[in-house]
Amino acid sequence: SAVISQKPSRDICQRGTSLTIQCQVDSQVTMMFWYRQQPGQSLTLIATANQGSEATYESGFVIDKFPISRPNLTFSTLTVSNMSPEDSSIYLCSAAAGTGVSGYTFGSGTRLTVV
Amino acid sequence: GENVEQHPSTLSVQEGDSAVIKCTYSDSASNYFPWYKQELGKGPQLIIDIRSNVGEKKDQRIAVTLNKTAKHFSLHITETQPEDSAVYFCAASTSGGADGLTFGKGTHLIIQP
Repeated sequence: SAVISQKPSRDICQRGTSLTIQCQVDSQVTMMFWYRQQPGQSLTLIATANQGSEATYESGFVIDKFPISRPNLTFSTLTVSNMSPEDSSIYLCSAAAGTGVSGYTFGSGTRLTVV
Repeated sequence: GENVEQHPSTLSVQEGDSAVIKCTYSDSASNYFPWYKQELGKGPQLIIDIRSNVGEKKDQRIAVTLNKTAKHFSLHITETQPEDSAVYFCAASTSGGADGLTFGKGTHLIIQP
């Protein structure tokens, strides 16, 4: 299964600023996703990162707040824009290889604290 | 949209005993059901998954059962060990995972020595 590296692993940011999180996969994957996990809580899907086209966002998440890029089959970025303390959370990248679409792998996550 | 409920939220068992975690889903079109284990400070790790055309799947001490009629699926861990202590999440997808996963709220499994 794919191995995912996320950077940064954690950050403390000032409100009103933006942070870009990088997700690098060690092999080409068909599907990439971004999730949010608030401390001690479950995972919520933010969006599907589509290669070469605009991301598909879930209800409650918008492109202006969480712009996503996916320039190729191994890399994606998520930006958290104009941050507020409510954005403090763990952001996780997930990917799956092949057309069978199973065996999703997750990165270790980016722990974001907004002060 | 899909809704996944998971029970219990906390489960404490003696080492060597079995643990069972149960999930129900709302969308009868769901066809892919993975289970993840998450240790503190780490990302979720896939431990087993099942598709809707299969009723049961086993991998060593871990098994998953699926009841499509009742729309529920369960994780069974036998001969529990201290390293099984973690948070376990169930998830479901209506597209075989192609549109992402809907997760349950998680179960904190504690293995008592």
